[in-house]
Amino acid sequence: GQQLNQSPQSMFIQEGEDVSMNCTSSSIFNTWLWYKQDPGEGPVLLIALYKAGELTSNGRLTAQFGITRKDSFLNISASIPSDVGIYFCAGQLMEYGNKLVFGAGTILRVKS
Amino acid sequence: KAGVTQTPRYLIKTRGQQVTLSCSPISGHRSVSWYQQTPGQGLQFLFEYFSETQRNKGNFPGRFSGRQFSNSRSEMNVSTLELGDSALYLCASSSSPATEAFFGQGTRLTVV
Repeated sequence: GQQLNQSPQSMFIQEGEDVSMNCTSSSIFNTWLWYKQDPGEGPVLLIALYKAGELTSNGRLTAQFGITRKDSFLNISASIPSDVGIYFCAGQLMEYGNKLVFGAGTILRVKS
Repeated sequence: KAGVTQTPRYLIKTRGQQVTLSCSPISGHRSVSWYQQTPGQGLQFLFEYFSETQRNKGNFPGRFSGRQFSNSRSEMNVSTLELGDSALYLCASSSSPATEAFFGQGTRLTVV
């Protein structure tokens, strides 16, 4: 079945640092989505990517849809404490409607 | 615009019982998808409904079922509950298939 490999699994951030995470797949997707989930809440959509090669920003967040349609990355610039949480990538294939295949998540923690 | 509303937020049930969870999508959205989130398996797709029809189904046993009403509200039902059904159940709403999915806060089901 379709699987997404998301890395890193977890990372510690210091306020002001840039953060990068990525997802790769053995399957091609039509859409890549990035979500953030806080404890006890549902995932919140951060960025949606629809075209191979597309680079999209949302404030301090930047994401790209890989040329091969099998990968995507998310960058967070100048991290702040509220960036802490779990980030998920998700791939969507048009033939399967709104079925999303999720990565395992990247846990962002604050360095103390 | 109100977001995706899931009720109840928390549920405790006993093995063998059945449960019904409810989801009201964003106004105007006609597609509703359901996901199960557990620490071990992550986010797994259950099924998707569009215009009262099930379009896609994930790899879950027949004890998991759902339906969608003419006002796009959706319910999912789990019969003969097992301990392993304990999870956060998330509903996502989209304006149409293969578009951005927005999640509700989820229903935390605990089976004892």
